[in-house]
Amino acid sequence: NAGVTQTPKFQVLKTGQSMTLQCAQDMNHNSMYWYRQDPGMGLRLIYYSASEGTTDKGEVPNGYNVSRLNKREFSLRLESAAPSQTSVYFCASSDPRVWAEAFFGQGTRLTVV
Amino acid sequence: RKEVEQDPGPFNVPEGATVAFNCTYSNSASQSFFWYRQDCRKEPKLLMSVYSSGNEDGRFTAQLNRASQYISLLIRDSKLSDSATYLCVVNRRDDKIIFGKGTRLHILP
Repeated sequence: NAGVTQTPKFQVLKTGQSMTLQCAQDMNHNSMYWYRQDPGMGLRLIYYSASEGTTDKGEVPNGYNVSRLNKREFSLRLESAAPSQTSVYFCASSDPRVWAEAFFGQGTRLTVV
Repeated sequence: RKEVEQDPGPFNVPEGATVAFNCTYSNSASQSFFWYRQDCRKEPKLLMSVYSSGNEDGRFTAQLNRASQYISLLIRDSKLSDSATYLCVVNRRDDKIIFGKGTRLHILP
């Protein structure tokens, strides 16, 4: 019973490098989300996808791109990493009913030096 | 103004005491409400949904006041294991899920 799987769990990047964070869910959820969490800031929505083939900006989309490859997978790409993108990234999925619970991956701890 | 606001705490509470957290939301199009719990360096997990009629789950009681756009969580007979960050969460009609910054709770032995 995997739920939401994120890879990698840890990553160190140099400024200017690119990388893609992978997320997959096996619960047949339509909605998927990417958040970042910084100390004292709570979880802030970067991008979300209400269904396969659609994506929408959240609160802090600058510096990121996303791809909803299929219903299961939603990836987050940093094209040119900056130290300000050092954070913990969480992927989540949800069935878009009114009282539906969101399920989270274990997070990716990214450091940009 | 943040869309979902919470007192960040920390709340330092002796074991066995009752503690209450509040949360306000600004988007009247919000349609469902939740409390999540997050332990240090872990992913958030659902604690309970918050229904208009109020709901209780063991030592936990949640209330929603749509007119005042206010959500509350009450923890009775607090345990050491209740120490965590409690996140107020709002699902909007456009499917966005918005989190408050969280309230840190420390239960003291």
